[in-house]
Amino acid sequence: NAGVTQTPKFRVLKTGQSMTLLCAQDMNHEYMYWYRQDPGMGLRLIHYSVGEGTTAKGEVPDGYNVSRLKKQNFLLGLESAAPSQTSVYFCASSYVRGRGEQFFGPGTRLTVL
Amino acid sequence: SQQGEEDPQALSIQEGENATMNCSYKTSINNLQWYRQNSGRGLVHLILIRSNEREKHSGRLRVTLDTSKKSSSLLITASRAADTASYFCATDAHGSGNTGKLIFGQGTTLQVKP
Repeated sequence: NAGVTQTPKFRVLKTGQSMTLLCAQDMNHEYMYWYRQDPGMGLRLIHYSVGEGTTAKGEVPDGYNVSRLKKQNFLLGLESAAPSQTSVYFCASSYVRGRGEQFFGPGTRLTVL
Repeated sequence: SQQGEEDPQALSIQEGENATMNCSYKTSINNLQWYRQNSGRGLVHLILIRSNEREKHSGRLRVTLDTSKKSSSLLITASRAADTASYFCATDAHGSGNTGKLIFGQGTTLQVKP
């Protein structure tokens, strides 16, 4: 099993450009999450999903949109990138009836110029 | 807002020594988890302790939880150079509903010198 994978691994954008980050998991997890990690800030939750077709806002949702059309995929979109969105983005997933632990992808390093 | 605050922010020890990291949180929790992150990698789950538990062990890891003080500690015994990483606590807070949402602390960076 690949676990949680993220595409792409690195990306550089110019201010105002758009892009989509893809997260895929092959563990049949119901829950999926998008976080951003900035120096000294730990991880902050952007959006999350408790099942196919559902999404909800996390702690820092502004400037991002998400979709969960298939259970195994969770997409994070930036419609008009800003330098403040320069960060490392992590996707995670977990079982509904699991112990509560989350399984993380390797991350996407995004730079917005 | 961050639920967990970790102390110290950075810790440097010699191989073979024990490392202790502390985490404080603000609201009532269902459980508290510890994760490890190697440089440039994703987080890996280490151990989970439920709110009705006081201590838990896993290999060289020992976690304690004091809900009256809203604090937890992670002890790594007989540390190795390979333990060099950042360690994060994360809480599943009461009121988060059936979402599995976690709130992460800012992390402790541990360096173990060979």
